[in-house]
Amino acid sequence: LAKTTQPISMDSYEGQEVNITCSHNNIATNDYITWYQQFPSQGPRFIIQGYKTKVTNEVASLFIPADRKSSTLSLPRVSLSDTAVYYCLTTFLYNQGGKLIFGQGTELSVKP
Amino acid sequence: NAGVTQTPKFRVLKTGQSMTLLCAQDMNHEYMYWYRQDPGMGLRLIHYSVGEGTTAKGEVPDGYNVSRLKKQNFLLGLESAAPSQTSVYFCASSYSGGDSNIQYFGAGTRLSVL
Repeated sequence: LAKTTQPISMDSYEGQEVNITCSHNNIATNDYITWYQQFPSQGPRFIIQGYKTKVTNEVASLFIPADRKSSTLSLPRVSLSDTAVYYCLTTFLYNQGGKLIFGQGTELSVKP
Repeated sequence: NAGVTQTPKFRVLKTGQSMTLLCAQDMNHEYMYWYRQDPGMGLRLIHYSVGEGTTAKGEVPDGYNVSRLKKQNFLLGLESAAPSQTSVYFCASSYSGGDSNIQYFGAGTRLSVL
């Protein structure tokens, strides 16, 4: 079972870089690592996905070490609007018997 | 292009009543999912579908039924609602369910069972 572990909450200030690490010790060979963002009263929204090394898009960067047992979502220069819950997910639906595990997520609070 | 649309947005039921939640997607996605979200529990998969006419159980399927008669629609039914089914329900869809599964979510349905 590909279970992920993340910190429950994090605090930051505007303009800082925020790094959220996710542990996924049982990640399968075919699994990608996907991060979602969720604002209150909204559905989760895709942020970034990667398989190995580093991926960067206009919103975030994702760092994945060689053993792939963890990954780090990096949000550069956060603003108040980045206050949200962030979920790490490793996915391969059929290998997990239909258990896509989102976990509790990390509640990020950005302060002025 | 509306993405994933859920109907209704809010609903209050009495114990024992039945209802159907509708999910519609206009992205021609093969895969569709129903989740429930409870405080401190994250998102838990109820049922999913890998294509028109097929459904499968997720992590917490008891008390729910689903149907995928059309590719763009995925219905979640509660035959006899219980207070334990009070939750926020999210529908999602994806192009594939394999290695690089990226899901697109609806805005959610907030259900209260009294």
